[in-house]
Amino acid sequence: NAGVTQTPKFQVLKTGQSMTLQCAQDMNHEYMSWYRQDPGMGLRLIHYSVGAGITDQGEVPNGYNVSRSTTEDFPLRLLSAAPSQTSVYFCASSYSGEGRKLFFGSGTQLSVL
Amino acid sequence: DAKTTQPPSMDCAEGRAANLPCNHSTISGNEYVYWYRQIHSQGPQYIIHGLKNNETNEMASLIITEDRKSSTLILPHATLRDTAVYYCIVRGDNDYKLSFGAGTTVTVRA
Repeated sequence: NAGVTQTPKFQVLKTGQSMTLQCAQDMNHEYMSWYRQDPGMGLRLIHYSVGAGITDQGEVPNGYNVSRSTTEDFPLRLLSAAPSQTSVYFCASSYSGEGRKLFFGSGTQLSVL
Repeated sequence: DAKTTQPPSMDCAEGRAANLPCNHSTISGNEYVYWYRQIHSQGPQYIIHGLKNNETNEMASLIITEDRKSSTLILPHATLRDTAVYYCIVRGDNDYKLSFGAGTTVTVRA
């Protein structure tokens, strides 16, 4: 059982480049979300989805796009990378019912130069 | 989401119980208390959650006060591997915008 899989683990971009962070889960979870974590800080919600075809903004959505075409996958797109987007990105998933504990991926460390 | 307040850091001796407090004075009746921890730079890991009653699992115990305005996570016999940042979060079943504050950095010392 793989759980939540994030790729890549590390990425270096130049300012203005675009890229997609991949997230996949094999637990049939309805809810998926993306977080960013800056050094010494907690996790801030970027976008989330409660099911295929449904997405919504979190606390810090600017500069990021998401889509949810399948239950398993929830990619995060950086449209035009900026140094302020240098961070560690975590994907998480859970069931939508009561007691829905979040399962997290191992993270993607992104540096934008 | 109700806000939570946690001490920024605490130390604990190896083998002793670690008691991590969390205040959530604005919690509403249908909101649960969840605890997660993040070891080094890994993704956060679920520990335990509860609504009103005290809860125990293989990792920890959760004590919620009768008025539900605060709770304590207890690690019964802390080990060096319990050194981590611990997050206390309050959420209801329909809360989807879940963010994690700074948490409590717990350092277990030999």
